[in-house]
Parts: sequence; C-alpha cells; structure tokens
Amino acid sequence: QKEVEQDPGPLSVPEGAIVSLNCTYSNSAFQYFMWYRQYSRKGPELLMYTYSSGNKEDGRFTAQVDKSSKYISLFIRDSQPSDSATYLCAMSAENYGGSQGNLIFGKGTKLSVKP
Amino acid sequence: DGGITQSPKYLFRKEGQNVTLSCEQNLNHDAMYWYRQDPGQGLRLIYYSQIVNDFQKGDIAEGYSVSREKKESFPLTVTSAQKNPTAFYLCASSIDLATGTYNEQFFGPGTRLTVL
Repeated sequence: QKEVEQDPGPLSVPEGAIVSLNCTYSNSAFQYFMWYRQYSRKGPELLMYTYSSGNKEDGRFTAQVDKSSKYISLFIRDSQPSDSATYLCAMSAENYGGSQGNLIFGKGTKLSVKP
Repeated sequence: DGGITQSPKYLFRKEGQNVTLSCEQNLNHDAMYWYRQDPGQGLRLIYYSQIVNDFQKGDIAEGYSVSREKKESFPLTVTSAQKNPTAFYLCASSIDLATGTYNEQFFGPGTRLTVL
C-alpha cells in the first residue's frame, strides 16, 4: 500500500463549478498537510497548509483534514479557467524517518476548468 | 524580491557527462531540498540539507551529489552514474524547526534536464 494515494484524473469541470480534490494516506503519524498547485512546466506553489484535523479556508479554497479516516480534501469554489493546473497533496510527520520536514507527495490530480 | 532561483531552465547532457544544477534562495531559510519529478511519478526526494555543511540522502540519491557551503546555495550534480537522468528537477527551501514551521516548503521554477 502506497503511503499517499491521489487520483491522477484528469478532472474536467465547467467554469463556476465546485471542485473536490482528495488524497488518502496510510501513515497515522502524519500531522502536517499541504496542497500545492503546479502549472505546466513550473514549480509547485503552496496553496494551503494545515496542522492536524479540521478545516481551513482561504478565499475560494478550503482544505479539510479527517485524520480518523486518513483523508484530506481541497475544495475550490467558483472555479476559474486559471485554476487549471495539477494539484499535489503533501504531508509529513515530525521526525519522519529521522528527517524533519520531509514531505511525502501524492502524484497529483490534473484539473481542467472549461470556460 | 525574495525567492528561489534555479538555473538553467533547460539543460542538455550527453551520455557520460556530469552536469550541475544551480539553486539559490534569498529567503534566509535553513533547510533546502532537491526533488526529481517524472510524469505520473510525483515528486521524489534526492537530497536535503538542514544546515550549512551538512546534507542527507533522500529516497533516490544514487547517481547524484550535492554540496552546501553557503546557506543560500545548494547545487546538485547529476553524475554519469545516474542511468536515467532525464527529468524535471525542483529545488525547495523551508525554515528550520528552530525558528518556525519547517514543513512549508517553497519551490523554485525547476530545471528540465534532457539526456541526448
């Protein structure tokens, strides 16, 4: 079983739709959860950062963490064509593998928002 | 402007050649990282460094080498021992645990390496 699972998509939605992106994980020690957005041929950009369980909202983006189910989500409201990108989830545990701050990434979900 | 720069943007290597990818940051971050990204593979950690003059192997360090002589610089050398080096290489940095949240990694724009 892989540590972090993420559906690669592609996911295609019409402009204005609510988008739901998800990752599941197996390591119960993970406490820090991140979502990155990566445009084609660019470096990933940190979108959301959450610690432990709960929700965090930033503009049109909401990140949810359910540690009991080992499941994290990113919701995008009123999606725009400019949201078209690959979204990567990432997570880590303190002192994971003896290496502080090392992130385990999902493979990314490719999102396309059609005008 | 604060940020992470990588150079070159595109790099072509002949078989048997060593090449060095540059990564510089002016964010005053202590920790720096190198990742490799292949289509459908996600990001895989090559090397990381938490302080100057110290670095650790990641999951796929074979065929790569690094140095950390200055806080702001973390160059990666792809040696001829790396059998399949064609990939997108990403450098990242983060604040060390001693001063703040170290999990928030910020990435550079990447270097695309192609072996001819």
